[in-house]
Amino acid sequence: EVQLVESGGGLVQPGRSLRLSCAASGFTFDDYAMHWVRQAPGKGLEWVSGISWNSGSIGYADSVKGRFTISRDNAKNSLYLQMNSLRAEDTALYYCAKGVSIAASFDYWGQGTLVTVSS
Amino acid sequence: DIQMTQSPSSLSASVGDRVTITCRASQGISNYLAWYQQKPGKVPKLLIYAASTLQSGVPSRFSGSGSGTDFTLTISSLQPEDVATYYCQKYNSAPLTFGQGTKVEIK
Repeated sequence: EVQLVESGGGLVQPGRSLRLSCAASGFTFDDYAMHWVRQAPGKGLEWVSGISWNSGSIGYADSVKGRFTISRDNAKNSLYLQMNSLRAEDTALYYCAKGVSIAASFDYWGQGTLVTVSS
Repeated sequence: DIQMTQSPSSLSASVGDRVTITCRASQGISNYLAWYQQKPGKVPKLLIYAASTLQSGVPSRFSGSGSGTDFTLTISSLQPEDVATYYCQKYNSAPLTFGQGTKVEIK
């Protein structure tokens, strides 16, 4: 059974940093691209970033480019999102999601981890 | 960047009705289009990919069509368990933009 478990969310002050993690199991992690998608309270889905199976292809939404960094450790079956210079508008539930490739739909999603940026 | 626009933003229909949701891309995306269902308080679920391919386990009352810039999600006979917000997403290249969502309710 595919499982994606996010962690690392919490309350953080504007301008500070936070690192999210996503632990994957139930599939061959290094065969697949992975993504982060967020959802602000009461709002729609926003793709944040994606990374190919070998980290050779990476993409970011304009809203986070230069502030967020996606990475993965295939030996640990883990995906990460380093979030710097956080803003109030980054407040959201952050999901990790599995894609067949970097340009593919997302067939499995985690339950999400909540990030709240507030002073 | 390519924008994805869904219509309507919300709809109310009766059980058994045929429901159609439209998604329009600001530029052509071939068939690199997915549809997701998000029930209240739940995680999004993939319904359709490649514009018209039904994800395994999804009921056959759901169908998708379209190519290029105009796409449609159809529920052939609306059921109470279909109450949800539906999102389209383009995935041909980054950014993998979602539509703003269509909220479906039972009348």
